[in-house]
Amino acid sequence: GAGVSQSPSNKVTEKGKDVELRCDPISGHTALYWYRQSLGQGLEFLIYFQGNSAPDKSGLPSDRFSAERTGGSVSTLTIQRTQQEDSAVYLCASSLRPYEQYFGPGTRLTVT
Amino acid sequence: AQTVTQSQPEMSVQEAETVTLSCTYDTSESDYYLFWYKQPPSRQMILVIRQEAYKQQNATENRFSVNFQKAAKSFSLKISDSQLGDAAMYFCAYTLSDDMRFGAGTRLTVKP
Repeated sequence: GAGVSQSPSNKVTEKGKDVELRCDPISGHTALYWYRQSLGQGLEFLIYFQGNSAPDKSGLPSDRFSAERTGGSVSTLTIQRTQQEDSAVYLCASSLRPYEQYFGPGTRLTVT
Repeated sequence: AQTVTQSQPEMSVQEAETVTLSCTYDTSESDYYLFWYKQPPSRQMILVIRQEAYKQQNATENRFSVNFQKAAKSFSLKISDSQLGDAAMYFCAYTLSDDMRFGAGTRLTVKP
């Protein structure tokens, strides 16, 4: 079946612009996660959605970052007033069971 | 806070040989899950192997096996009969139930 998909694959934006990154989870998966991976680094947890519960936003680095999940499926990560330090690969994962996450291919964001 | 440490930024192995990647973690919990993920240049995070902390038996998946030492909080990955396709970044990860904590990764090179 289809895996987790993310769009766009690559995004180049100017400093100060807003960007939206999209994640389509595996159908039926109730949990959705966003991670940030800076160059040569591990994954940094950003936000977690589980069903209809309020999201766990504890990993968001600043109030410029926000995310929503519509209808319990597609999620959008929004970064406002982008900064150069926001340049990274943003990975999305979904899961049915809490300990088995399936990842998308990521979006590489470059802020110039 | 749970932390995951991978002390080997880079490792190299000859094709058909065996290599072991190290991982240690810090937690006060007794029930949790540990993972090894592989990330090739395509950026896709691929689950290699999973270990439930309550299981004493080490997990095995074909050429991949782990050495799980709960008391020492150590979780190493052994790759037997290394293949060129094993070349990638390998991340060790820990989860209690929801968010997942990752190590900084080990870059594995496989020499023909």
